[in-house]
Amino acid sequence: EVQLLESGGGLVQPGGSLRLSCAASGLSLSTNAMSWVRQAPGKGPEWVSVIATNGYSTYYADSAKGRFTISRDTSKNTLYLQMNSLRAEDTAVYYCAKFLEWPNYYFEYWGQGTLVTVSS
Amino acid sequence: QSVLTQPPSVSGAPGQTVTISCTGSSTNIGARYGVHWYQQLPGSAPKLLIYSNTNRPSGVPDRFSGSKSGTSGSLVITGLQAEDDGVYYCQSYDPSLTDSVFGGGTKLTVL
Repeated sequence: EVQLLESGGGLVQPGGSLRLSCAASGLSLSTNAMSWVRQAPGKGPEWVSVIATNGYSTYYADSAKGRFTISRDTSKNTLYLQMNSLRAEDTAVYYCAKFLEWPNYYFEYWGQGTLVTVSS
Repeated sequence: QSVLTQPPSVSGAPGQTVTISCTGSSTNIGARYGVHWYQQLPGSAPKLLIYSNTNRPSGVPDRFSGSKSGTSGSLVITGLQAEDDGVYYCQSYDPSLTDSVFGGGTKLTVL
């Protein structure tokens, strides 16, 4: 059974930083693409970032470019999202998800999410 | 404003059938990228319901089915049950925008 467990969310001031983690079990990060998807209160999901199966190729939504960095540690089977220069509009529940690459492009398994609140 | 357009709400009585539409454009659904559907029950994370237009992951009841035509996709739920009450999102891929794109969601109310 695939399980994805996010952690690291919390309250942070505008301009601050936060690092989210996603511990995976039942699947290997070294052989799967992974992503972060966020959902602001009362809104639909929004894709944030993807790290490809090769571990080198990374992709970001325009809203995350230059501020967020996705990475993984295959020895710990853990996915990360480093978030810098946080803004109020980054407030959301952040989910990690297994991502199916070309030609599929969908999110197969989701974690339970971790809440990030950006506020002074 | 979401890239994919869904009706805000649908409703139906137990046992009835409802259809949720998802309208995209020539750069996403119309460009032969698949339509995928997620179910989000209250207080839970989204869960994959239908992938690549018509396919159900293991464990998803066959009451749920999907289709795609042109620049639109549809999710059909037959034999509505109380536990189907929740929000349903469609998703596709659009390389001209921010890659993966979602619909705004449709709130299904089982009366």
